[in-house]
Amino acid sequence: KAGVTQTPRYLIKTRGQQVTLSCSPISGHRSVSWYQQTPGQGLQFLFEYFSETQRNKGNFPGRFSGRQFSNSRSEMNVSTLELGDSALYLCASSHNSGGAAYNEQFFGPGTRLTVL
Amino acid sequence: AQSVSQHNHHVILSEAASLELGCNYSYGGTVNLFWYVQYPGQHLQLLLKYFSGDPLVKGIKGFEAEFIKSKFSFNLRKPSVQWSDTAEYFCAVITTSYSGAGSYQLTFGKGTKLSVIP
Repeated sequence: KAGVTQTPRYLIKTRGQQVTLSCSPISGHRSVSWYQQTPGQGLQFLFEYFSETQRNKGNFPGRFSGRQFSNSRSEMNVSTLELGDSALYLCASSHNSGGAAYNEQFFGPGTRLTVL
Repeated sequence: AQSVSQHNHHVILSEAASLELGCNYSYGGTVNLFWYVQYPGQHLQLLLKYFSGDPLVKGIKGFEAEFIKSKFSFNLRKPSVQWSDTAEYFCAVITTSYSGAGSYQLTFGKGTKLSVIP
């Protein structure tokens, strides 16, 4: 099985711009979660999507949004970029059926976003 | 809110030394616990996980962890480290979304960087 893929792998933007990141989960996985990784804050949960619905959201401003498509692929969008948004954005997928044991999350390589 | 604490920010060991990385969590309910590893330039990989049963869990590459419920701890151990174990290690706990919608959110510790000197 192919793993979680994320595109693009690297991105450079300037303050005020917006950006869209893409994630393709492992085939058959219906849950997609997004995390932000920075040296100062570590790994922080952004949101989780399941069957095209956002089920859970972390403590991030409304500039961070996402969506999931019918094929489980997901995108996240950050509008009005700030310098502090520079981070590695990780996507994780899981099967998410039948209890926590099926919720092991598999991570993609991440998108490295640099905001200048 | 749930939280995960990793006591050591950076650990430096010589090859063949024994390793123990501390992890404590704060959550009163049922937890599922994980250790992930991030090798330089690579993505997060699962080392081991605990869902239920035997509190001593064995993972890949000779790592193991022990779940001690009374201490809210899930420490990672390896008897003899190698240079190739140089990486950042993250402890994480799955907690159920408050919405009860079946969403399982991973809460991570801040990570411990391990440097192994040949």
